[in-house]
Amino acid sequence: SQKIEQNSEALNIQEGKTATLTCNYTNYSPAYLQWYRQDPGRGPVFLLLIRENEKEKRKERLKVTFDTTLKQSLFHITASQPADSATYLCALDNTDKLIFGTGTRLQVFP
Amino acid sequence: DAGVIQSPRHEVTEMGQEVTLRCKPISGHDYLFWYRQTMMRGLELLIYFNNNVPIDDSGMPEDRFSAKMPNASFSTLKIQPSEPRDSAVYFCASSFILAGLGDTQYFGPGTRLTVL
Repeated sequence: SQKIEQNSEALNIQEGKTATLTCNYTNYSPAYLQWYRQDPGRGPVFLLLIRENEKEKRKERLKVTFDTTLKQSLFHITASQPADSATYLCALDNTDKLIFGTGTRLQVFP
Repeated sequence: DAGVIQSPRHEVTEMGQEVTLRCKPISGHDYLFWYRQTMMRGLELLIYFNNNVPIDDSGMPEDRFSAKMPNASFSTLKIQPSEPRDSAVYFCASSFILAGLGDTQYFGPGTRLTVL
């Protein structure tokens, strides 16, 4: 069956450390993988998109990797801040649709 | 642009009542999506439209759910009759092109529906 898995448990890290979130998928062959941020009571907001032929993408303190052999994407936030606390969703394209993972809640404490 | 607009933000209704959720997509976006989010199942696609035409409604859970897009700036999702298990947050999103072509989606703030 097709699955997208993200750590269901919250990730708690100290301010200034690097947060690493994982997205694993099975039985999909996405051309793109996206990461979204969702704050409580709000809709998801797009952060980064990475193509299947790209190994890594960066945007400010964010870095995404995409390994189509392992069927995995890693999402890194360097020098994390309390304002980075949110739920992060990965999403991949399944032909015409975006399929979302259930998200990982990140809590950055001072 | 004001982004994707949804109304109401919160809806509390009793089982058996009709519920109508509304969405205004970003101007110029040709695609509109309706999602439902619950703790158990995450974010699920219900239906999407292209140029006001429903393309894929395979995610609509039952015949009690229906969606329309009478014009490029307005869409509704209707549940009739509503049931407690319909309680969830419903999001509307829009995009220029499809995810399969590398586009991203812009989400509204959501409607939190509670069916008693």
